[in-house]
Amino acid sequence: EVQLLESGGGLVQPGGSLRLSCAASGFTFSSYAMNWVRQAPGKGLEWVSVSFGGSGTTHYADTVKGRFTISRDNSKNTLYLQMNSLRAEDTAIYYCAKEIDTYGLGADQWGQGTLVIVSS
Amino acid sequence: DIQMTQSPSSLSASLGDRVTITCRASHSISNWLAWYQQKPGKAPKLLIYKASTLHTGVPSRFSGSGSGTEFTLTISSLQPDDFATYYCQQYNSDLYTFGQGTKLEIK
Repeated sequence: EVQLLESGGGLVQPGGSLRLSCAASGFTFSSYAMNWVRQAPGKGLEWVSVSFGGSGTTHYADTVKGRFTISRDNSKNTLYLQMNSLRAEDTAIYYCAKEIDTYGLGADQWGQGTLVIVSS
Repeated sequence: DIQMTQSPSSLSASLGDRVTITCRASHSISNWLAWYQQKPGKAPKLLIYKASTLHTGVPSRFSGSGSGTEFTLTISSLQPDDFATYYCQQYNSDLYTFGQGTKLEIK
């Protein structure tokens, strides 16, 4: 059974940093693209970043480029999101989501999400 | 960047109704489109990928069509479990943008 378990969310001041983790199990983690997707309170889904399987190539939404870094440790089956220079508008539930392939095609498994609140 | 626009933003329908949601892309995305269903407090679920391929386990009353810039999600006969918010997402560019969502409510 595929499981994705996010952790690392919490309350942080504007300008601060936070690192999210997503522990994966039940599939060959290194072979699949992995995403971070966020959802602000009462709002729609916003794609944040992707790390392709195999090559590990990464891409970012313009709203987080230069501030967030996605990475993966295939030996630990864990996906990370390092978030720096956090802003109030980064407040959201952050979901880790597994793609159905090495590249993007559709995210078939999602974690339960971890809440990040950016506030003074 | 490719922008995705869904219509309508909200929709009221009755059990048994046939419902269609539209997603338009600002540039051609071939068939690199997925549809998701999300219920309050829950993570999204994948319904369809590559515009028309039904994901494993998804009921056959859901179908997707389209290519290029215009896509549709159709639910052939609404069931109680279908009242939720639906999102499209494009995978053509390196930035995987979502539509703004369509909330499907009971009439």
